[in-house]
Amino acid sequence: EAQVTQNPRYLITVTGKKLTVTCSQNMNHEYMSWYRQDPGLGLRQIYYSMNVEVTDKGDVPEGYKVSRKEKRNFPLILESPSPNQTSLYFCASRGLAGLSEQFFGPGTRLTVL
Amino acid sequence: KNEVEQSPQNLTAQEGEFITINCSYSVGISALHWLQQHPGGGIVSLFMLSSGKKKHGRLIATINIQEKHSSLHITASHPRDSAVYICAVRPTDSWGKLQFGAGTQVVVTP
Repeated sequence: EAQVTQNPRYLITVTGKKLTVTCSQNMNHEYMSWYRQDPGLGLRQIYYSMNVEVTDKGDVPEGYKVSRKEKRNFPLILESPSPNQTSLYFCASRGLAGLSEQFFGPGTRLTVL
Repeated sequence: KNEVEQSPQNLTAQEGEFITINCSYSVGISALHWLQQHPGGGIVSLFMLSSGKKKHGRLIATINIQEKHSSLHITASHPRDSAVYICAVRPTDSWGKLQFGAGTQVVVTP
């Protein structure tokens, strides 16, 4: 089954404790991206990657890091999480050929205390 | 100012009614997405458009590139259509980016 998976689905952590949210896709997609969703602010793009070793900032990259060492994986790293990073996070992927549909992961609900 | 504007913000309809959600954007785009998000959070892609019109079941999406406007129509609405519908655009000057509208909360009552 074609899918984007994220782990963990739920996470409660404390300020300053480094964490990684994993994202993996099984569709051989070149493009992957991370978004956060907040009440009243909607969805906003954090980082995206057009292919292995190619990443670029979205609209709200501050406080986040990403890496794309393999085509299928695109982890989101919070080196020193803060309470303002409490949010619902989505990973997504799509192919680059023509107009490709975007597939979203199930979301990760992160709470930083 | 958000470059992607959706209207209405909220919409309540009775089962069977025809629903229209509008999306206007201010930048040149290569594609526009319509997304659906049910309570509980998962996001599903409904349509991706670069021109014209697409239909899938009771859902129809149209786009007018010259007017920078898209509409999502739901015919014969059903309570299971209750969800947030989100418009998102891919700017032509930044191919990897995706800019989102604020979403339209749709409630369909039996």
